[in-house]
Amino acid sequence: AQSVAQPEDQVNVAEGNPLTVKCTYSVSGNPYLFWYVQYPNRGLQFLLKYITGDNLVKGSYGFEAEFNKSQTSFHLKKPSALVSDSALYFCAVRPMNTGFQKLVFGTGTRLLVSP
Amino acid sequence: NAGVTQTPKFQVLKTGQSMTLQCAQDMNHNSMYWYRQDPGMGLRLIYYSASEGTTDKGEVPNGYNVSRLNKREFSLRLESAAPSQTSVYFCASSELGVNQPQHFGDGTRLSIL
Repeated sequence: AQSVAQPEDQVNVAEGNPLTVKCTYSVSGNPYLFWYVQYPNRGLQFLLKYITGDNLVKGSYGFEAEFNKSQTSFHLKKPSALVSDSALYFCAVRPMNTGFQKLVFGTGTRLLVSP
Repeated sequence: NAGVTQTPKFQVLKTGQSMTLQCAQDMNHNSMYWYRQDPGMGLRLIYYSASEGTTDKGEVPNGYNVSRLNKREFSLRLESAAPSQTSVYFCASSELGVNQPQHFGDGTRLSIL
């Protein structure tokens, strides 16, 4: 069965510094990988996805993620954090070979960007 | 540009009461989903509808039923609410396709006493 691990419950970073939110996955076969962001009292918003091809994926709000097949990781990154990036971030995976796009989500990482 | 609309936003029930959570999307998406979000557990899929006229169980379907009323609407029903069903419920929709992102509503916060 597929699974997603987000090893850090919270990541703290100062504004202007680079940020990384970690995600590792376990699936049978090749994965589709997604990052979502959740602001307080809101639903999840899609940030970016990896399907195939270039291992570095660029998404919304200046975020990017690097797919590493050998390490089964898909870490979210941003070169310069903003206070407004503070939110809850979810990684999700779906194996390519399943019949329907049921996503499996990680437990989430809270990002706190300090001024 | 409403996207996915969920009603109500908040609800308090007593154990044993029934309730239907409503969800409607205006993006002409084929697929719709119901999740619950609990602290430390991420999102867990309750039921989904791949296309109009079909529904299937997800990871945690016990105690719930769903109805895909038409292409736009997908409702979730709690027949006899239990305190363990206290959660935030999210509806989502997506295009039919293996790599299509899901679009989420803002959730229904449900407390069962």
